[in-house]
Amino acid sequence: AQSVTQLGSHVSVSEGALVLLRCNYSSSVPPYLFWYVQYPNQGLQLLLKYTSAATLVKGINGFEAEFKKSETSFHLTKPSAHMSDAAEYFCAVSDPRTDKLIFGTGTRLQVFP
Amino acid sequence: DAGVIQSPRHEVTEMGQEVTLRCKPISGHDYLFWYRQTMMRGLELLIYFNNNVPIDDSGMPEDRFSAKMPNASFSTLKIQPSEPRDSAVYFCASSERVNTEAFFGQGTRLTVV
Repeated sequence: AQSVTQLGSHVSVSEGALVLLRCNYSSSVPPYLFWYVQYPNQGLQLLLKYTSAATLVKGINGFEAEFKKSETSFHLTKPSAHMSDAAEYFCAVSDPRTDKLIFGTGTRLQVFP
Repeated sequence: DAGVIQSPRHEVTEMGQEVTLRCKPISGHDYLFWYRQTMMRGLELLIYFNNNVPIDDSGMPEDRFSAKMPNASFSTLKIQPSEPRDSAVYFCASSERVNTEAFFGQGTRLTVV
């Protein structure tokens, strides 16, 4: 069965600093991978997705993620953090065989001025 | 389309009462997911449907939980009887296909006292 591990439940960065949120997955078949963002009292919104095309995926709000099969990773990055990036971020994996969409436990990003 | 619509947004009920959460997915979406979000356990997949048929309900915690999708535009998640440990935010999401974006509703915040 597929699973997702997000390292670090909380990440704090200064405004303008690099953002790196880590995600490792487990899947016996090539997975589909997603990053979602959740703002307070809101549902989740898609940031970006990997579905076996280019390994470097660009998303909204300047975020991008790189699929590394050898490391089973799909880390999310942004070169320069903005105050509005403060939110909770979820990595998710979908098994093409079962259609299940499974989420990691989330990483709360804080951005300090 | 107005997006995924969940009702009610907030529900406070007494232990032992029946609770019904409702979801209207986006028209034309084949998949519907029910998730539960808590601080302790993160975002858990409870059950999902494909073309109104339940595919996997292994995440449903107990027999007290049941979900139905009588047609393509409506689904319910019922808890009977409710317990304080059921307090959480319940999200409904729908997607067109397995590797496409899942759109989330605003969630129902359930408090069982």
